[in-house]
Amino acid sequence: GQQVQQSPASLVLQEGENAELQCNFSSTATRLQWFYQRPGGSLVSLLYNPSGTKHTGRLTSTTVTKERRSSLHISSSQTTDSGTYFCAMERGTGGLSGKLTFGEGTQVTVIS
Amino acid sequence: DPKIIQKPKYLVAVTGSEKILICEQYLGHNAMYWYRQSAKKPLEFMFSYSYQKLMDNQTASSRFQPQSSKKNHLDLQITALKPDDSATYFCASSQDGGGAGYTFGSGTRLLVI
Repeated sequence: GQQVQQSPASLVLQEGENAELQCNFSSTATRLQWFYQRPGGSLVSLLYNPSGTKHTGRLTSTTVTKERRSSLHISSSQTTDSGTYFCAMERGTGGLSGKLTFGEGTQVTVIS
Repeated sequence: DPKIIQKPKYLVAVTGSEKILICEQYLGHNAMYWYRQSAKKPLEFMFSYSYQKLMDNQTASSRFQPQSSKKNHLDLQITALKPDDSATYFCASSQDGGGAGYTFGSGTRLLVI
């Protein structure tokens, strides 16, 4: 079956440091999306990045579909970045199926 | 304003009872979904609907029944509740063929006692 592995499982950053979160997936022909969740909070879409590099604010995602991997780079981290970051992949080349497979997440803690 | 409204935000239910989780989206999307997030587990896909028709069901139990009365509504009825059903249930939507991915609601946190 489809699997998504994220690393590291957790990360502690000093405010201002950069971080890189990794996501590896087992299937090809995927679409990939990064999400953010505060403890007990809603799931916020950060970046939809099926391939290539995309930016939003201090976040940069690079997805290399052939190598079945994606990364999320957080620059100049802030305490408000603390939370859990999930990557989720979807297999398919047609319309969106809705069947996202999520990783277990990377828990990020930014301390001041 | 939230684009996907889930109600209630929190719900406590007694074992054996029945509850309905509400989801409405105001994004104009044609597809809607339910996901479940249990303690210490990744989010799991449950159902997908497109134009109010069931497309995929990954939930083994028939106690979980989606209900779509309108294109922008996808409620989730859960019968004969069990403590193991305790989880946060997320509704999501997308526009088929669009390049924006999926939008998730804020979730309904269900506790079955």
